[in-house]
Parts: sequence; structure tokens; C-alpha cells
Amino acid sequence: NAGVTQTPKFQVLKTGQSMTLQCAQDMNHNSMYWYRQDPGMGLRLIYYSASEGTTDKGEVPNGYNVSRLNKREFSLRLESAAPSQTSVYFCASRWQGGDEQYFGPGTRLTVT
Amino acid sequence: DQQVKQNSPSLSVQEGRISILNCDYTNSMFDYFLWYKKYPAEGPTFLISISSIKDKNEDGRFTVFLNKSAKHLSLHIVPSQPGDSAVYFCAASEYSGGGADGLTFGKGTHLIIQP
Repeated sequence: NAGVTQTPKFQVLKTGQSMTLQCAQDMNHNSMYWYRQDPGMGLRLIYYSASEGTTDKGEVPNGYNVSRLNKREFSLRLESAAPSQTSVYFCASRWQGGDEQYFGPGTRLTVT
Repeated sequence: DQQVKQNSPSLSVQEGRISILNCDYTNSMFDYFLWYKKYPAEGPTFLISISSIKDKNEDGRFTVFLNKSAKHLSLHIVPSQPGDSAVYFCAASEYSGGGADGLTFGKGTHLIIQP
């Protein structure tokens, strides 16, 4: 039981490049989330998916797109990376009926 | 405008003593509150939570207190141990028992346990 896994762990992009961050959970959770954490800041919600087939914007969605591929997987795409998107990205999942979210180890992204 | 505030960026406590971490919130719709612990280069780990219908929840060395009228909660760790050194995040949700919306986090407090 791996919990929430994220790939890659580290990535460096040039401005304008695109990439997809992958997230998968093996806990049969319905809801999944993407957050970003900047230095000295708390985590901020980018997008979430309450259930397979649905996605919604969070607090800071601009510049990102998401796909809920199936119940297990929730990906985050940067179409044209900008230096302001340099951050650590965390994926999380939650069981329907519970309140705790379980987080992955994070992806550290640098955009130069 | 920050809805969840942790006004102490860091806190240093001697091993064996009590650690008290504070959190204030402004959104009256918050219904459920959680504390997460985070080590460097790892994801946050759930620690303890409390529903707005309670004023205290205890789990081993960790106790969370909620004062709804003051919009304030605190996390008590007794006794503090070296492994407790980490960043602690306070988080809140508008729904309990199944709401799908994400969490609103504070900026975190770095707890340092001195030997």
C-alpha cells in the first residue's frame, strides 16, 4: 500500500515549456487535490476533483489544467511554464465521508 | 486576505516541556479543523482534527482546543520530544463529514525542540 505517489520528484523547466505532473493513489479514495507551496507560505489549492469525471478550480488555478484520468490518477498540466510557477507541488486524496487528506511526497519544480 | 493565520513563524521549546501552537481563523463557515506536521522534503502528515461541535480532542500526547467564539484553536504537545521538531500547519474546511472542497492552510509554525 503505497498511499499517494507523485512523479517526478524534481523537474527543471525553461519558460514556455510544458509538462505534466502525475499523481496516483491506491487507497480507493474518491476525492483528489493539487496544492502548491511557496517559501514561507501555506499550501494553496490549485484544483480538486470530488469524484471521477469531475474537476473544479481552487484558489490559484490560473496557468494550470487537470485531468482525472480514472479513480486512481489525477494529473496537473502546465501548458506554458512561467517562473512564477516555481514551487513545490503536492497531490492529496481523501476518502468520501472523511475529512483528512493524505498527501504525496511532493514535486519540486523550478522554472528558469 | 488570509483566512487561517498562524502568527508565530517559529517556536523553540525544551524537550519534555509543553509546546503550544496557535491558530486563528476569520471565516465563520469553517466547520472542521486539522493539524498537519511536515518534515523537510516530505508531504504533510495528518496529526489531529476537531469538529466545530467540539471544544477539545485528544490523541496521545496531542490535544487540540477550539474556541469558536474567539475563532481560535491551539495544539498542545505534552511532553515535547526531539522528533516533534517540524513545521506544523493549521488547516480548515467549510464542510465536515464528506465535503469535497479543499483545505485552507495557515503559513505554518516551525517547532524546534531543544535537548
